[in-house]
Amino acid sequence: AQSVSQHNHHVILSEAASLELGCNYSYGGTVNLFWYVQYPGQHLQLLLKYFSGDPLVKGIKGFEAEFIKSKFSFNLRKPSVQWSDTAEYFCAVRAGYSSASKIIFGSGTRLSIRP
Amino acid sequence: DARVTQTPRHKVTEMGQEVTMRCQPILGHNTVFWYRQTMMQGLELLAYFRNRAPLDDSGMPKDRFSAEMPDATLATLKIQPSEPRDSAVYFCASAASGTYEQYFGPGTRLTVT
Repeated sequence: AQSVSQHNHHVILSEAASLELGCNYSYGGTVNLFWYVQYPGQHLQLLLKYFSGDPLVKGIKGFEAEFIKSKFSFNLRKPSVQWSDTAEYFCAVRAGYSSASKIIFGSGTRLSIRP
Repeated sequence: DARVTQTPRHKVTEMGQEVTMRCQPILGHNTVFWYRQTMMQGLELLAYFRNRAPLDDSGMPKDRFSAEMPDATLATLKIQPSEPRDSAVYFCASAASGTYEQYFGPGTRLTVT
């Protein structure tokens, strides 16, 4: 069965530090990839998505992610984080072309930014 | 701008009571998802519908949970009878046909005592 792994459960950074959050998935075929962010007390919001084309995807708020097919990875990056980036980040994968294919979410990575 | 709405936002109830949560998807979105989020289990997909028909409810405890879409503008998730272990935040999300880009509602925070 397909799965999504986010190995970093909690990441603590200082403001202006660079960020990279890992996401790996297990599925050998076509995938659609997503990163969602959940600010404290709020609902999930889409940061960026990859369907096809350029494997380097740019999203909102300065985030980007790179799809590396050979590594089954879709890591999230930001060159300089801000205190307002404190949130939980979820990677999600939809595998296959079937209209019934569902999206699987990773367990999330909590990001804490020290002012 | 268009948003997914959920009611109630908070619900406190006693064990054994029936709980009904409602979701209004974004107008025109034909796919609706129900998720449960807890500290221990994270975000779990309970069920999802496309064009009002259930596509997958394998994540839902069938003995006490039920999900329906009476019409295209309303999805419901019902728990009967509720148990303390059902305490969680329940999110509804909707997506337009073919996009798989889900828009989440604000959630219903359920506490069962």
